[in-house]
Amino acid sequence: NAGVTQTPKFQVLKTGQSMTLQCAQDMNHNSMYWYRQDPGMGLRLIYYSASEGTTDKGEVPNGYNVSRLNKREFSLRLESAAPSQTSVYFCASRSSVLSYEQYFGPGTRLTVT
Amino acid sequence: KNQVEQSPQSLIILEGKNCTLQCNYTVSPFSNLRWYKQDTGRGPVSLTIMTFSENTKSNGRYTATLDADTKQSSLHITASQLSDSASYICVVRVNYGGSQGNLIFGKGTKLSVKP
Repeated sequence: NAGVTQTPKFQVLKTGQSMTLQCAQDMNHNSMYWYRQDPGMGLRLIYYSASEGTTDKGEVPNGYNVSRLNKREFSLRLESAAPSQTSVYFCASRSSVLSYEQYFGPGTRLTVT
Repeated sequence: KNQVEQSPQSLIILEGKNCTLQCNYTVSPFSNLRWYKQDTGRGPVSLTIMTFSENTKSNGRYTATLDADTKQSSLHITASQLSDSASYICVVRVNYGGSQGNLIFGKGTKLSVKP
C-alpha cells in the first residue's frame, strides 16, 4: 500500500514550457486534491476532484488544468509555465466515507526559470 | 475573512524538553481542527483531528487542545526527540457542507530540536 504517489519529484522548466504532474492513490479514495506550498505561506488549494469525473477550482486555479483520469489518478497540467508557478506541489486524497482525513503525497518541487 | 494564525513562527528547543505550539483561528462556521507534521522535503502527515466537542486529544507524545469558545488550539510535545524537528501545521475545516475545498491552512511553526 503506497498511499499517494507523485511524479516527478523534481522538475526544472523554462518559461513557456508545459508539463504534467502525475498523482496516484491506492486507497480507493473518492476525493483528490492539488495544493501548492510557497515559502512563508500556508498550503493553497489549486483544484480538487470530489469524485471520478468531476473537478472544481480551488483558491488559486489560474494557469493550471487538471484531469481526473480514473478513481486512482489525478493529474495537474501547466500549459505555459511562469516563474510565479515555482513552488512545491502536493497531491492529496480523502475518503468521503471514513473520516475527514486527507493523505498527502511526497510533493513535486518545480522551478520555472 | 477565514484565517489561521500560528505562533511562534519558529522554535528551537533542547532534546528532552517540552514545548507548546499555538494556533488561533477566525473560521466560521467551524467543522474541525487538525494538526499536521511536515518533515523537510515530505508531505504533511496528520497528528490529530478535533471536532467542536473535543477539548483534548493525544497521539503518543503529542497532545492537542481545543477551546472552541476562544478559537484557540495548542499542540504540546512532551519529551522532545530529534525526530520531532519539523514544521507543524494547524488546519481548520470550514463547515460549508459537502466535503470539498474548504480547508484553511496556517503557515506552520518550524520546530528544531537540538541535541
